[in-house]
Amino acid sequence: EAGVVQSPRYKIIEKKQPVAFWCNPISGHNTLYWYLQNLGQGPELLIRYENEEAVDDSQLPKDRFSAERLKGVDSTLKIQPAELGDSAVYLCASSLGATGRGTQYFGPGTRLTVL
Amino acid sequence: AQTVTQSQPEMSVQEAETVTLSCTYDTSESDYYLFWYKQPPSRQMILVIRQEAYKQQNATENRFSVNFQKAAKSFSLKISDSQLGDAAMYFCAYSSGTYKYIFGTGTRLKVLA
Repeated sequence: EAGVVQSPRYKIIEKKQPVAFWCNPISGHNTLYWYLQNLGQGPELLIRYENEEAVDDSQLPKDRFSAERLKGVDSTLKIQPAELGDSAVYLCASSLGATGRGTQYFGPGTRLTVL
Repeated sequence: AQTVTQSQPEMSVQEAETVTLSCTYDTSESDYYLFWYKQPPSRQMILVIRQEAYKQQNATENRFSVNFQKAAKSFSLKISDSQLGDAAMYFCAYSSGTYKYIFGTGTRLKVLA
């Protein structure tokens, strides 16, 4: 069974440029999460989807970040414009069922560097 | 609000020895789940072990076991017969009916040959 797929693995951009990250969850997993992980820190939730509905986006900086999960499968996280402080690893995870207590399976992450 | 605290930023263990990583949490809920995740330098987080709060029996997975003390709100991870491949960041996480995971700040485990 394929795991959570993320692309790209690495991205280097200049500040004020836009950037997008893509995530394909494990087949059948209806819950999808986007996390931000700073160096030496634990992941922090940005947004959680139940199917195609964003049910928790309270930590998403909506002035520059946006996300979508069309058809309730893969998802895209976008930053526009990027700032120096956005340099971090962006993790995607998925879990089975709407309970939220299910085990989360993580992708390899995208390391973003903003110059 | 729920919190998860890992007070050991870094731990070292000799190969084949046993090490215990600490985690405490704070919650007012009675039904919740606790997890330990491992994140090797390649960055992919992997579930190590999971504990349901309603279960009194401590979870075990091969060389990994937990000491779950619900009253003390403590959830430590014991790694027996440590191997070089166990070197990684270990994150303790909490999840409840709000469906939100809360992660600790992590403990970096070094395994010495």
